Amino acid sequence: QKEVEQNSGPLSVPEGAIASLNCTYSDRVSQSFFWYRQYSGKSPELIMSIYSNGDKEDGRFTAQLNKASQYVSLLIRDSQPSDSATYLCAVNGFENTGFQKLVFGTGTRLLVSP
Amino acid sequence: DGGITQSPKYLFRKEGQNVTLSCEQNLNHDAMYWYRQDPGQGLRLIYYSQIVNDFQKGDIAEGYSVSREKKESFPLTVTSAQKNPTAFYLCASSPLKSGELFFGEGSRLTVL
Repeated sequence: QKEVEQNSGPLSVPEGAIASLNCTYSDRVSQSFFWYRQYSGKSPELIMSIYSNGDKEDGRFTAQLNKASQYVSLLIRDSQPSDSATYLCAVNGFENTGFQKLVFGTGTRLLVSP
Repeated sequence: DGGITQSPKYLFRKEGQNVTLSCEQNLNHDAMYWYRQDPGQGLRLIYYSQIVNDFQKGDIAEGYSVSREKKESFPLTVTSAQKNPTAFYLCASSPLKSGELFFGEGSRLTVL
């Protein structure tokens, strides 16, 4: 069974600090990695995707991928109270049909205090 | 505006009843999905469809059924055979072979 592991948190950071969210995955052939943000009671929304080793930056968000260590992270700079949400890590896996199925972690809850 | 519409947002069901959750998208995406989310658990895939008139079981398909008669529509029926149907149900769509999913607002089902 392919697995995606995340610390459930909550991860508490003060406003303006850097929040670091981590995720490990078990399937070595995975090639696509995603971070979704989910506010309480709402549906997930995609905030970052990363496909190759290294860093990918988008505004205050940076995704980091290390395939050798099977590790992907999300950094949020200058954290704001509006960033308080659950962050879901998702990794693609392959079915026998060729279908790329996303495997989701259980999410890390982030709390940003003013 | 382009997006995914799920209805109803809230639904109460008595034990032994079947219910159907609606999902419509106007993003012209080929792939559509149904996920279930329970507290403290990740999203679990119920069914997915990559093309009209074809769909595949996901990890937890027992007690559920779907149809894909139109590209835009992918309704989910929660049958009385589903032992623990109370959950948050999420419909999503994406281009083929993409992990960049667009989610609807979700349907929260409660069995009384």
